[in-house]
Amino acid sequence: EIVLTQSPGTLSLSPGERATLSCRASQSVGSSYLAWYQQKPGQAPRLLIYGASSRATGIPGRFSGSGSGTDFTLTISRLEPEDFAVYYCQQYANSPRTFGQGTKVEIK
Amino acid sequence: EVQLVESGGGLVQPGGSLRLSCAASGFTFSSYSMNWVRQAPGKGLEWISYFSSSTSTIYYADSVKGRFTISRDNAKNSLYLQMNSLRAEDTAVYYCAREGQVGTTNWDWFDPWGQGTLVTVSS
Repeated sequence: EIVLTQSPGTLSLSPGERATLSCRASQSVGSSYLAWYQQKPGQAPRLLIYGASSRATGIPGRFSGSGSGTDFTLTISRLEPEDFAVYYCQQYANSPRTFGQGTKVEIK
Repeated sequence: EVQLVESGGGLVQPGGSLRLSCAASGFTFSSYSMNWVRQAPGKGLEWISYFSSSTSTIYYADSVKGRFTISRDNAKNSLYLQMNSLRAEDTAVYYCAREGQVGTTNWDWFDPWGQGTLVTVSS
């Protein structure tokens, strides 16, 4: 099973600042078998990024994904108030598909 | 609009059973593989079961294998999860989630997700 480790656990930032979230895999997930989700309290996860860097339909351009192999990054260029949430990475290179433990982006 | 709506959650005693349903709309249900993913209170996400669109291939996570059974009824645009021998550690919100791409034979991302249904296993 591929273990995904996200860092940091919590990111305290102000609106307008840049957020950089990391996801590291215990073994290679290839060049693009990684997705990112956003989850707000009481809501289901929402797909942000698939294929490591492709934005899902309707996702604003301030969200971007990068990386390959074992190291991936989600960047939010300028935080909007609605971006404060928990973010999860997920690999779909191997079964079982697994998720990271999440990074909480909170208002500083 | 693509929509997934789960139902059937509730409070059940340890050792008991529960059947969850997921009603799909806004897309050709029979063309997509489907999944169940759960989230324990305050915890992360765990994929637990998969049902393919075309080959009726089924997979389970080790944590539920032998206790849970996934099924689907394409005529009713519905996915189900029969949960038996429930344990306290099965307490979670259970989400129905579609595979990201139609007819894919590879593993994919999950999109969209339903709103979830809460299962509480407690005496």
